[in-house]
Amino acid sequence: SQTIHQWPATLVQPVGSPLSLECTVEGTSNPNLYWYRQAAGRGLQLLFYSVGIGQISSEVPQNLSASRPQDRQFILSSKKLLLSDSGFYLCAWSVRTGNTIYFGEGSWLTVV
Amino acid sequence: KQEVTQIPAALSVPEGENLVLNCSFTDSAIYNLQWFRQDPGKGLTSLLLIQSSQREQTSGRLNASLDKSSGRSTLYIAASQPGDSATYLCAVTSNDYKLSFGAGTTVTVRA
Repeated sequence: SQTIHQWPATLVQPVGSPLSLECTVEGTSNPNLYWYRQAAGRGLQLLFYSVGIGQISSEVPQNLSASRPQDRQFILSSKKLLLSDSGFYLCAWSVRTGNTIYFGEGSWLTVV
Repeated sequence: KQEVTQIPAALSVPEGENLVLNCSFTDSAIYNLQWFRQDPGKGLTSLLLIQSSQREQTSGRLNASLDKSSGRSTLYIAASQPGDSATYLCAVTSNDYKLSFGAGTTVTVRA
């Protein structure tokens, strides 16, 4: 069966520090991978998605970036965090675009 | 741009009552619609996926209907239990394969 792992689960970082959130999927090949952010009381906002190694599409211009160095690994990064980057970040995968999407447990980021 | 709305934002019912959660979307040209459950501080769990050609999907006590022409979906949860307390989100996949989420309905089932 397929599983998705996301870490760290919680993170407190000072303004201006770098960020790296990692996500891996097991049990499938060439999945679509996604990074979402969820603000309190609001819907999920798609940040990045990838349909293959090295293929990253950005949905929202901001100081975050994503990379897919391996088929089942997706990394969300920032060189300098802003207070507004605080939130709940979710990694997700699907077999193909438009199929059921499966989420990781999420990472709470607090920028102080 | 697809807009997804879920009303009400919160709902509290006594145990045993049936739950009715509503989701509406502005663009009826959709590929599918999914319902998710989210427990506090956790990721989302997929409950049901309805393809655009389907009218409903059922899984156990859950039944989701889809009326694409009117831009609405309803999630029914029969005989609610305290363990059903969570936030329920609907998400619409448009024909360009982009997923749009509603803000969710937070359900509390009172024992």
